[in-house]
Amino acid sequence: DTGVSQDPRHKITKRGQNVTFRCDPISEHNRLYWYRQTLGQGPEFLTYFQNEAQLEKSRLLSDRFSAERPKGSFSTLEIQRTEQGDSAMYLCASSLGLAGVSSYNEQFFGPGTRLTVL
Amino acid sequence: TQLLEQSPQFLSIQEGENLTVYCNSSSVFSSLQWYRQEPGEGPVLLVTVVTGGEVKKLKRLTFQFGDARKDSSLHITAAQPGDTGLYLCAGAYSGAGSYQLTFGKGTKLSVIP
Repeated sequence: DTGVSQDPRHKITKRGQNVTFRCDPISEHNRLYWYRQTLGQGPEFLTYFQNEAQLEKSRLLSDRFSAERPKGSFSTLEIQRTEQGDSAMYLCASSLGLAGVSSYNEQFFGPGTRLTVL
Repeated sequence: TQLLEQSPQFLSIQEGENLTVYCNSSSVFSSLQWYRQEPGEGPVLLVTVVTGGEVKKLKRLTFQFGDARKDSSLHITAAQPGDTGLYLCAGAYSGAGSYQLTFGKGTKLSVIP
């Protein structure tokens, strides 16, 4: 039984470069979420997919951020023209949502990608 | 903006002691999760509570959901060094089509052998 996986675990980049992170959810889960966590804070919601459709985006998700889930399985999060303020842990989570069934919204997290922008 | 406050922010105790941490909001949750997170890792789900007044036990951990579903507590009995970590509560607020979790800042627990 594999959980949520994320790649890479760590990324160091220079300001202005583009970076892309990948998330592979638990295989039967149809919902996928991205969160960002900075030091001393809890995770903050960025965006959410149900299958391949991106249904919700936070105001934290600026124009430089884009997320995709093309086949309703893995997802990528790209940050263009990185800034030092983008340095954070980027967390992916997945959950199983069944139509007509009350969801307790139990989300299972991956190990995260630690981004450092120099 | 929905806020979720956790207290205390930091807690350092001796092995064998009991402790309680709290999670409070002015809004009603449809469900609430507790997670534990270790440095450099993602949060690990401990429990989900849904019904007001619900109590769930996980070995030495007891989770309680407030009657009005606005607050929750986590009680640890006879803390062990392995309980050290950041304890996060996360609430799902009632809202059409919204599945995001709102997290508190966490309680950082250190259990000293």
